[in-house]
Amino acid sequence: DAGVIQSPRHEVTEMGQEVTLRCKPISGHDYLFWYRQTMMRGLELLIYFNNNVPIDDSGMPEDRFSAKMPNASFSTLKIQPSEPRDSAVYFCASTQGRNQPQHFGDGTRLSIL
Amino acid sequence: GQQLNQSPQSMFIQEGEDVSMNCTSSSIFNTWLWYKQDPGEGPVLLIALYKAGELTSNGRLTAQFGITRKDSFLNISASIPSDVGIYFCAGSIRGTSYGKLTFGQGTILTVHP
Repeated sequence: DAGVIQSPRHEVTEMGQEVTLRCKPISGHDYLFWYRQTMMRGLELLIYFNNNVPIDDSGMPEDRFSAKMPNASFSTLKIQPSEPRDSAVYFCASTQGRNQPQHFGDGTRLSIL
Repeated sequence: GQQLNQSPQSMFIQEGEDVSMNCTSSSIFNTWLWYKQDPGEGPVLLIALYKAGELTSNGRLTAQFGITRKDSFLNISASIPSDVGIYFCAGSIRGTSYGKLTFGQGTILTVHP
């Protein structure tokens, strides 16, 4: 079975550029989560969707961050403009139904120079 | 925001030794999960716990959901080199949105052959 698929795996770009991270959840999963992982702050939940609708975006750092889920099989996390402090590993996870364990993708390692 | 206190932060052990790590919270949790993260990959679910007092095993791994619903532990018996990685506890708090997890800071495990 295909797991959660994220792209790109690595992204290096200069500050000020727009960055778009992509995620394909596991088929049939109705919850999708975006996390950010850094050494200092660990795993932080940024936003999550249920049935393509954003439910809680209280973890989104600031207006430079936005996330969309146009359909059940695709989500994007966009940073515009990017800053060096946005450098981190960004994970997407999905789950099916209530209280079911989340399954993570392999992440996008983002470096903003 | 809500935090989980995970300890120890790191462990250095010899192959064959048993390992124990735990998480505590000031809030009551509905669910406790234990994940392992290998370098360059996303967290992978090891064990899920849904009831207070529940004790669940997965091979050499055993985890328990504390009676007070505010703590959980993970034991690894007879460690092997491939147990190396970062172990995270995670939980969902009673009364919060379904699917929203809080993560511990992680325990870095090093196993010397």
